Amino acid sequence: AQSVTQPDIHITVSEGASLELRCNYSYGATPYLFWYVQSPGQGLQLLLKYFSGDTLVQGIKGFEAEFKRSQSSFNLRKPSVHWSDAAEYFCAVGGGSNYKLTFGKGTLLTVNP
Amino acid sequence: NAGVTQTPKFRVLKTGQSMTLLCAQDMNHEYMYWYRQDPGMGLRLIHYSVGEGTTAKGEVPDGYNVSRLKKQNFLLGLESAAPSQTSVYFCASSYDRGEPYEQYFGPGTRLTVT
Repeated sequence: AQSVTQPDIHITVSEGASLELRCNYSYGATPYLFWYVQSPGQGLQLLLKYFSGDTLVQGIKGFEAEFKRSQSSFNLRKPSVHWSDAAEYFCAVGGGSNYKLTFGKGTLLTVNP
Repeated sequence: NAGVTQTPKFRVLKTGQSMTLLCAQDMNHEYMYWYRQDPGMGLRLIHYSVGEGTTAKGEVPDGYNVSRLKKQNFLLGLESAAPSQTSVYFCASSYDRGEPYEQYFGPGTRLTVT
């Protein structure tokens, strides 16, 4: 069975600082990996995805993530955080024939001015 | 295109009442999903559908039923609501080819059961 662990429940950073959100997955084959963002009271918006190829993927809003098979990780990064990045971030993994995604429990990001 | 829409946005039920949540998508997606989101639990899959007329159980199906009579609609029913079903419900849809795992989400329905 596939699973996702987001070790950090809550992270606080200052505006302009760099950011890394951790995601570890468990899946027997090559996974499909996603990061979604959820602003308060909103639905989930796709930030970026990894299906195959280049292990460093670029997403919207200046985010990037790197797939590391040896570490079973797909960490999300941003070099300089903006106050508008305050939200909850979810990592998800997919694979197999039923096209289901398994989500992590999320990391809440607070940005201090 | 409206994408994925959900009706209603908010609802308060009393224990034992029933209701149906409607999800509609206009992207001609084959797959549709219902999730619930609870604090600290992330999103958990309730039921999903891989095509019109088909449904399957997800991770937390108890107390819910679903129907997919039309390709564009996926209904989630609560026959006898319980306080444990207080949650935010999200619908999502995806293609069946190309990049089938990329799911598009609706804005959510906030349900409170008293």
